[in-house]
This record gives sequence, C-alpha cells and structure tokens, in this order.
Amino acid sequence: QKEVEQDPGPLSVPEGAIVSLNCTYSNSAFQYFMWYRQYSRKGPELLMYTYSSGNKEDGRFTAQVDKSSKYISLFIRDSQPSDSATYLCAMSAVNFNKFYFGSGTKLNVKP
Amino acid sequence: DVKVTQSSRYLVKRTGEKVFLECVQDMDHENMFWYRQDPGLGLRLIYFSYDVKMKEKGDIPEGYSVSREKKERFSLILESASTNQTSMYLCASSLLASGRASDEQFFGPGTRLTVL
Repeated sequence: QKEVEQDPGPLSVPEGAIVSLNCTYSNSAFQYFMWYRQYSRKGPELLMYTYSSGNKEDGRFTAQVDKSSKYISLFIRDSQPSDSATYLCAMSAVNFNKFYFGSGTKLNVKP
Repeated sequence: DVKVTQSSRYLVKRTGEKVFLECVQDMDHENMFWYRQDPGLGLRLIYFSYDVKMKEKGDIPEGYSVSREKKERFSLILESASTNQTSMYLCASSLLASGRASDEQFFGPGTRLTVL
C-alpha cells in the first residue's frame, strides 16, 4: 500500500465551478500537509501548507485536514482556466526531512 | 525569492553513458533533494543531502549516485544510463536543518531525460 493515495484524474470542470481534490494516507505520524501546484513543463510550487488538523483558507483556496479519517482536501472556489494544472498533495512527520507525495491530480478548467 | 536552477531542461543520452544532472540553489538552504517524476507514480525520492558532503538514500537510489561538494550545488549521477531511467528529474531545496520541523521544499524546473 502506498503511503499517500491520490486520484490521478483527469478532472475537467467548467469555469466558475467549485473543485474538490483529495488525498488519503496511512501513516498516523504525518503532521504536516501540503498542496503543490505544477503547471505543464514546470516544477511544483507550494500552494498551501497546514499543520495538524483543521482548515486553512487563502483566497479562493481552502485546505482541510481530517486526521481521524487520514484524509486531506483542497477546495478551489470560482475556478479559473489558469488553475488548470496538476495538483500534488505532500505530507511529512515531525522532525523528519522526507516528504511523501501523492501521484497528482490533473485538473482542466474549461472557459 | 528562492531560485533553484537545473543545468538542462531536456537531455537525450544513450544507454551506458554516464550522465550528470546539476542543481544549484541561491538561498543558502541546508537540504537538497533529487526526485524523479513518472506518470501514475508521482514524485519518488532518489537521494537527499542535509549538509555538504552528506547524503542519504531515498526510496529508489539504485543506479544513481550524488555529490554535494558545495552547499549550493547538488549533482545527480547516472553511472551507466539505462532506458528505465527515462524520466523527469526534479531537484528541490529547503531551509530545514536536520531535527527541526518540516519546511517547504522549493523545486527547480526539472530536467526531462530520455535514454535511448
């Protein structure tokens, strides 16, 4: 079983839709949860960073962590064509350099 | 802004060749990482380094070696390239010093390597 599972998509939505991206994980030691966005032919860039459980909001983006279910989500409100990218979840345990990445979900927002 | 640069965007090599992939970061980061990214498999850690001349194996080190002679530079070496090493290679760095809480990793643009 992989440490982190993520649906690869692709996910295609119309402009303005609410997008929900999800990851599940198996290691209860994970405390740091991240979402990276990767445009085609570019390296990933950090979008959201959350410690432990709860919600974090940044503009149109909301990250949620449910540690009891070992489930994290990224919501995108009022999605735009510029949001079209691959979204990778990543997580790590405390005092540990290594990140565990999901395989990425490819999102396409149609104008 | 942190900048992580990789020596080549695209590289084509032949089976058996020795391949060097170079990565440089300009923010005095302690940690540097090499990943490969393949469809459906996500990012897999090959090696990382938390200090000059220090290195740790990641999940898939076989067929690779690394070198970190200077803090800002981390090289990935394919001693004898094989077709199954055709992939996107991503370098990353983070400020994190060993033993502290996890920190953001900044990625370079990637090198798409094709081994024929």
